Amino acid sequence: DTAVSQTPKYLVTQMGNDKSIKCEQNLGHDTMYWYKQDSKKFLKIMFSYNNKELIINETVPNRFSPKSPDKAHLNLHINSLELGDSAVYFCASSQQPIGRGNTEAFFGQGTRLTVV
Amino acid sequence: GDSVTQMEGPVTLSEEAFLTINCTYTATGYPSLFWYVQYPGEGLQLLLKATKADDKGSNKGFEATYRKETTSFHLEKGSVQVSDSAVYFCALVPGSARQLTFGSGTQLTVLP
Repeated sequence: DTAVSQTPKYLVTQMGNDKSIKCEQNLGHDTMYWYKQDSKKFLKIMFSYNNKELIINETVPNRFSPKSPDKAHLNLHINSLELGDSAVYFCASSQQPIGRGNTEAFFGQGTRLTVV
Repeated sequence: GDSVTQMEGPVTLSEEAFLTINCTYTATGYPSLFWYVQYPGEGLQLLLKATKADDKGSNKGFEATYRKETTSFHLEKGSVQVSDSAVYFCALVPGSARQLTFGSGTQLTVLP
């Protein structure tokens, strides 16, 4: 069984569209994350939820909105897609918020978003 | 702010060669340090970690030592295999933060 699964794996869409990426973890973790990986492989955190509560909200356009219906799911909705949104988006989870006592995050396979 | 600097890639080696990927960091307090690996088409996996100065993390033949005096956490392997071809990320968790901060990643290709 896949621990952290994302759908879809690939997403090609036109500028201006609205799209969602879904993420589910079956590890029983309390905390989930969205990361964006750009074309140079640089990873940057976007959001984090702990027990359905938003705890990290980095500087991203408000066109990006995370939603956590329960602690096993963290979806990412993107409005009015732009060319610069093209990237690989990774979902991840950890037992608790990452800190000195808990330091391992488990990542999904990524969603490659291409905006044309 | 907190940051991680990795050596630029790509790195191409022949099988059984010695590998070093340099990583240095800037952080307040005493961070925990990590190496994550991303195999083609997959998500990141934790490779090894060290949580305090002079700790050595090791896994699958890879090693890295937490050097506070040089603020470094270089990744080494004595004899690489083709299956080690992947992107390697150095990362840290600062003492008080609740997130991983990643370096830019280093692409490693091992040729048979």
